[in-house]
Amino acid sequence: AQRVTQPEKLLSVFKGAPVELKCNYSYSGSPELFWYVQYSRQRLQLLLRHISRESIKGFTADLNKGETSFHLKKPFAQEEDSAMYYCALGYNNNDMRFGAGTRLTVKP
Amino acid sequence: GAVVSQHPSRVICKSGTSVKIECRSLDFQATTMFWYRQFPKKSLMLMATSNEGSKATYEQGVEKDKFLINHASLTLSTLTVTSAHPEDSSFYICSARGLAGGSYNEQFFGPGTRLTVL
Repeated sequence: AQRVTQPEKLLSVFKGAPVELKCNYSYSGSPELFWYVQYSRQRLQLLLRHISRESIKGFTADLNKGETSFHLKKPFAQEEDSAMYYCALGYNNNDMRFGAGTRLTVKP
Repeated sequence: GAVVSQHPSRVICKSGTSVKIECRSLDFQATTMFWYRQFPKKSLMLMATSNEGSKATYEQGVEKDKFLINHASLTLSTLTVTSAHPEDSSFYICSARGLAGGSYNEQFFGPGTRLTVL
């Protein structure tokens, strides 16, 4: 069965520190992985997807098929990065499974 | 980016009544719309997927007779919670996916609807 695991419900770092939000997935086929972000009082929005291989707001994520992971990283966290982050797995060309989410707090 | 609206943003109703939530794609045609339910401190739970002009596909455990989904046009999908009960109180979020290339198109999310059943 398809599964997305975000082991940390809460993550707190200081401004300027590196941050890594972990995501592991379970899927036997060819996955497409996404990171969505939800800032306070805002709607959920796409942050990045693995096929784009892009860096958005300083965040990057690399798909590691061997470890079935898609961890989200940023070398220097900013206070405005505080938000809820969801890892998502796309499969079967139409379906998507979300992880439980990680609430990131960046302290000044 | 594309905009998805939901109406109403909040609704309070009495137990036993039905509530309709609208999801609209404002500036693009949504071939597929998704309905999610978000529990406090928990993840998004996909309830159903609907393609314009066809019946919705419900996730396992979601009662299709209780959560009626209609996707009559490329810009509008509705979720009707029938005979609502307090346990149906939740945050309902829709997303829409439009016509684009590639195996996956980005989902654009609505702001959500807070349903409270008394």
